[in-house]
Amino acid sequence: ETGVTQTPRHLVMGMTNKKSLKCEQHLGHNAMYWYKQSAKKPLELMFVYSLEERVENNSVPSRFSPECPNSSHLFLHLHTLQPEDSALYLCASSFSWTGNTGELFFGEGSRLTVL
Amino acid sequence: QKEVEQNSGPLSVPEGAIASLNCTYSDRGSQSFFWYRQYSGKSPELIMSIYSNGDKEDGRFTAQLNKASQYVSLLIRDSQPSDSATYLCAVRIQAGTALIFGKGTTLSVSS
Repeated sequence: ETGVTQTPRHLVMGMTNKKSLKCEQHLGHNAMYWYKQSAKKPLELMFVYSLEERVENNSVPSRFSPECPNSSHLFLHLHTLQPEDSALYLCASSFSWTGNTGELFFGEGSRLTVL
Repeated sequence: QKEVEQNSGPLSVPEGAIASLNCTYSDRGSQSFFWYRQYSGKSPELIMSIYSNGDKEDGRFTAQLNKASQYVSLLIRDSQPSDSATYLCAVRIQAGTALIFGKGTTLSVSS
């Protein structure tokens, strides 16, 4: 495996379900991110983890719960979602949160549909 | 509110022409600038990064940065149908802050 991998690629869930999105990066990076991409809107930052500590939480509803057990893995736990949460959820990594460059490398995304 | 603005397009160019994509940003102190390409149904892919005023060339792509005008552009020479995609401009104000993305410009290259 290379780069950033996300599973599942597609997910359909009801509003009362609990599911999780998984992300793994194979780049040796120290920072990992969750972004949300909805139609006609810019990419929205949700969470940032640097060296397994959450450093940014962009006013995301509590029905989204991130987890970063180590610098290579990132999860997004989902529960009691709303139909407006349907979107493409993108995981990304960068070499360092505090580094001078900040280039992000994205996974393929998880397309979420909430019924 | 930190903002990155792009014309949503679509920008249509014939094959072989130069495509010019533009982006403006609101925070004068921004330090890092990126262009991503996103094909329909795919994730964004980094194609260029630029950190200082002037031009940076990589193959058919040239990024141009003018910090005084708060303007960054991407030129694609000899455009190909495979360049048809949405191009996202992203700006990072400083280390320890997240990238701010524009809504993207859709480019269509006709053969």
